[in-house]
Amino acid sequence: DGGITQSPKYLFRKEGQNVTLSCEQNLNHDAMYWYRQDPGQGLRLIYYSQIVNDFQKGDIAEGYSVSREKKESFPLTVTSAQKNPTAFYLCASSITGVTYGYTFGSGTRLTVV
Amino acid sequence: GQQLNQSPQSMFIQEGEDVSMNCTSSSIFNTWLWYKQDPGEGPVLLIALYKAGELTSNGRLTAQFGITRKDSFLNISASIPSDVGIYFCAGPDGLRAGNNRKLIWGLGTSLAVNP
Repeated sequence: DGGITQSPKYLFRKEGQNVTLSCEQNLNHDAMYWYRQDPGQGLRLIYYSQIVNDFQKGDIAEGYSVSREKKESFPLTVTSAQKNPTAFYLCASSITGVTYGYTFGSGTRLTVV
Repeated sequence: GQQLNQSPQSMFIQEGEDVSMNCTSSSIFNTWLWYKQDPGEGPVLLIALYKAGELTSNGRLTAQFGITRKDSFLNISASIPSDVGIYFCAGPDGLRAGNNRKLIWGLGTSLAVNP
């Protein structure tokens, strides 16, 4: 079955370390997205990519980086520059033109101690 | 920019009760999407609306695309414990032309159901 996979489900890191969250999809979707979710703040867009080798900053890109070398993969790196990295991170994908919505992964909960 | 205002922010109801929530915007949307997020999971699309006045059902869920195209409603009938979660409305960001668009999200309505 086609879907979008995020790994790992839970991730712990020490403060000051970079960490990379994985997102893979086999839906043949062109567009992929990364969101951050904090309690009571809804979904905030970090980065998105409409096509391979191209991506754009979202509303809260500072302290994060991404790459899109393959259509299926859109990894997110949380750098040490991110002041408050502990959060629930969601990856999504869609066909170009979002009229039919996104398909989400099951999320990665990152805890930085 | 475009914003979606979702209300209520949270609801605590008894099993069997009906639920109603809504989403409003100061600008027109051509598509309304309703998602549900189970605790600790990613959101899942429940209902998509594409035409003003459209009323669409999915089991016990019914959603409507407002006539003004600035609002949408989601109703859940005869709630059950598994309805617990966060319900989000979303619509395409109309400020970006062509296919290079992303979704605008409401802040969500958190639903708790007491068995």
